[in-house]
Amino acid sequence: NAGVMQNPRHLVRRRGQEARLRCSPMKGHSHVYWYRQLPEEGLKFMVYLQKENIIDESGMPKERFSAEFPKEGPSILRIQQVVRGDSAAYFCASTPEDTQYFGPGTRLTVL
Amino acid sequence: QQQVKQSPQSLIVQKGGIPIINCAYENTAFDYFPWYQQFPGKGPALLIAIRPDVSEKKEGRFTISFNKSAKQFSLHIMDSQPGDSATYFCAARGAGSYQLTFGKGTKLSVIP
Repeated sequence: NAGVMQNPRHLVRRRGQEARLRCSPMKGHSHVYWYRQLPEEGLKFMVYLQKENIIDESGMPKERFSAEFPKEGPSILRIQQVVRGDSAAYFCASTPEDTQYFGPGTRLTVL
Repeated sequence: QQQVKQSPQSLIVQKGGIPIINCAYENTAFDYFPWYQQFPGKGPALLIAIRPDVSEKKEGRFTISFNKSAKQFSLHIMDSQPGDSATYFCAARGAGSYQLTFGKGTKLSVIP
């Protein structure tokens, strides 16, 4: 029974490029959350999705960031025109109801 | 505005000691308080969680103490081991909500 899977684990982009981060929830989970973790900081909520629906994106920056969770396939967090300040670890979590189970994260480095 | 304040930032204890990590919150609507353990390069893993209707919860060597009137909760690790060396995060979530609000984390080192 695989846990939450994220890929890639490490991603390097130059300023102005696009970053695509993928998250496959645990089997049977239909709720996905994305969090961002800056160095020496706790995780900050970004967005909550169910299949084909964005439920809450109050933590997402208004520009350049978008997320989706299609009917088939993984959830995608997309960052357009990346800047150095986007360098962070991005975690997704999935849940059937209460407990959020986290993936191993994608560490994004923007050069 | 930081809604969950965690202390200390780092902690060093000897094997067998009892590290205590404290968190304080401001939002009285919070009703679910989990603790997560994170090893370097890994995602956070749920350790133990508590709701405000109990003052203490124990699972194995991990105990949460909860003080509703003071709006504080803490994690105690009994008989700590070098393998417990990790970063620990407290978090909180409001009733009917799903967003977890995290503290900044405590880096624990247990020395042999």
